[in-house]
Amino acid sequence: EDKVVQSPLSLVVHEGDTVTLNCSYEVTNFRSLLWYKQEKKAPTFLFMLTSSGIEKKSGRLSSILDKKELFSILNITATQTGDSAVYLCAVELGDMRFGAGTRLTVKP
Amino acid sequence: DVKVTQSSRYLVKRTGEKVFLECVQDMDHENMFWYRQDPGLGLRLIYFSYDVKMKEKGDIPEGYSVSREKKERFSLILESASTNQTSMYLCASSFYYRLGELFFGEGSRLTVL
Repeated sequence: EDKVVQSPLSLVVHEGDTVTLNCSYEVTNFRSLLWYKQEKKAPTFLFMLTSSGIEKKSGRLSSILDKKELFSILNITATQTGDSAVYLCAVELGDMRFGAGTRLTVKP
Repeated sequence: DVKVTQSSRYLVKRTGEKVFLECVQDMDHENMFWYRQDPGLGLRLIYFSYDVKMKEKGDIPEGYSVSREKKERFSLILESASTNQTSMYLCASSFYYRLGELFFGEGSRLTVL
């Protein structure tokens, strides 16, 4: 059975901290791994990763994929209260499989 | 600007009622999806469609059906709602060759009493 596992399930940090969110997967027919941010309602797309070892970066967020060890990490540096959200990892197979998400709370 | 619109944001229904959830996208996307989101379980795929009149079962299709008569519209139907179908329902769409870049609607929160 295809699985996508995120850790930790929740995380509380203070502004300025750096966080690392983890996503591991066991799937057949892997095509890509994606990260989404869900603040209140609709998840919004952050990154798509298809190749190992190539970092994707957008401002204070970055992500990398390891296809040998079957995981990805999402880093957020200098966190701000606006980073508080649920971060979802998903793996594209023939369809999309999501992890349960990591709820990040950034305190002032 | 990209838009996926779910017609009902909040619904309260009784057990046994038929429920329609509608989703419309204005991006000419081929793929459309219905997910439900429950605490601790993340998003689980109910059905998806990659073309008009085409549908594929996801992980949890039992108790649901779908309809895609036009490219822009994908409907989720609960033939006889049950309390365990109380959930947040999210519709999403994507281009055929960029399946993973999903654009989500704002969700429909369904409560079945």
